[in-house]
Amino acid sequence: EVQLVESGGGVVQPGGSLRLSCAASGFTFSMYWMSWLRQAPGKGLERVANIHRDGSNKVYLDSVKGRFTISRDNAKGSVYLQLNSLRAEDTAVYYCVRDRSCDGIDCYYFDYWGQGTLVTVAS
Amino acid sequence: SYVLTQPPSVSVAPGQTARLPCGGYNIGTRSVHWYQHKPGQAPVLVVYGNSDRPSGIPERFSGSNSGNTATLTISGVEAGDEADYVCQLWDKSSDQVFGTGTKVTVL
Repeated sequence: EVQLVESGGGVVQPGGSLRLSCAASGFTFSMYWMSWLRQAPGKGLERVANIHRDGSNKVYLDSVKGRFTISRDNAKGSVYLQLNSLRAEDTAVYYCVRDRSCDGIDCYYFDYWGQGTLVTVAS
Repeated sequence: SYVLTQPPSVSVAPGQTARLPCGGYNIGTRSVHWYQHKPGQAPVLVVYGNSDRPSGIPERFSGSNSGNTATLTISGVEAGDEADYVCQLWDKSSDQVFGTGTKVTVL
């Protein structure tokens, strides 16, 4: 059974840092791209970052470039998101997800999700 | 940027059919995916590639996509189908695009 379990969320002051972790199990972790998504209160989902199977390629949402860093450890089956210089607008539930693609043009989706971890940025 | 529009809520009686629209410009030329999200649980993929179902998803869930509207259809609605349903696609300019979700209430 595929499982993604996030941890590391919490309350942090503006300008502070957090490290989110996602432990994956039930599949060959090194074969999949992984992403972090987030949903702020009352807003829609957005992808924050994603990372290639071997960690060689990383893509970030413009608003987090230079502040957030995605990484992975294939030996441990884990993906991480380091959040620095946090702002109030980073307050959200953060989800770890597995990336998939299908036949056809521009067909990309997420087939497994974690339950999410809440990050609250407040003074 | 590409925008997906979903109605905030839909109510349906048990056993009836719920049709959840997801509107977008020329969405019929895109691949659309749907997620079910119950409070406190991990979201679940219910339809991908417009109309394919992952293993374990009941046949009651089906998807279609044409023109400016993609639709998730839930046939024979059950109490356990009560959840938020979110549509999603990938756009070259916007990356992953999500609708704001439709809350399905089973009467």
